Amino acid sequence: GENVEQHPSTLSVQEGDSAVIKCTYSDSASNYFPWYKQELGKRPQLIIDIRSNVGEKKDQRIAVTLNKTAKHFSLHITETQPEDSAVYFCAASMGSGGYNKLIFGAGTRLAVHP
Amino acid sequence: DTGVSQNPRHKITKRGQNVTFRCDPISEHNRLYWYRQTLGQGPEFLTYFQNEAQLEKSRLLSDRFSAERPKGSFSTLEIQRTEQGDSAMYLCASSHRQEKLFFGSGTQLSVL
Repeated sequence: GENVEQHPSTLSVQEGDSAVIKCTYSDSASNYFPWYKQELGKRPQLIIDIRSNVGEKKDQRIAVTLNKTAKHFSLHITETQPEDSAVYFCAASMGSGGYNKLIFGAGTRLAVHP
Repeated sequence: DTGVSQNPRHKITKRGQNVTFRCDPISEHNRLYWYRQTLGQGPEFLTYFQNEAQLEKSRLLSDRFSAERPKGSFSTLEIQRTEQGDSAMYLCASSHRQEKLFFGSGTQLSVL
């Protein structure tokens, strides 16, 4: 079936530490993997994405890695700050041709403590 | 604001009533998606359109749910004979071709 599993469900770190969130997906044809950040009461917002033709992408303190063989991708946040506290969702494109819709993971609630 | 717009922001209804939500996507986006989100969960795919054509509808979606996008611009999502289990945030998103999805602020539905 179409499924994305995300771990951990909650993550608590001290300010300045790194945070890592991991996802696995079911469809080997998936070729697009975005990450969204959702603050309380707000809409999900895209923070970084990666396509299947690259293994890693970085944007300042945020990086994403992809292992297509293992159907696994991860979000890395370095030098965490209190404003990074939010729920993070991974997603994978699924459907015929590898992209018709995004299937989301259940989310990771990240708390960054000062 | 040129983002995705959803109305209403909140809807409270009694069980058994029909409700309709509206989504106005970003103007040049030809793809429009509906998702449902409950507390502590990720967005759950409901259906999507490319222009005015509804290309996929989730198998989990009851026949009480219907969506339209008559002119390939705005879309409506209707829920007939609402049930308490329909209470959720209904999110609309749009994209240009197969690019990044941009979400609206959602419609929070409460069925009493």
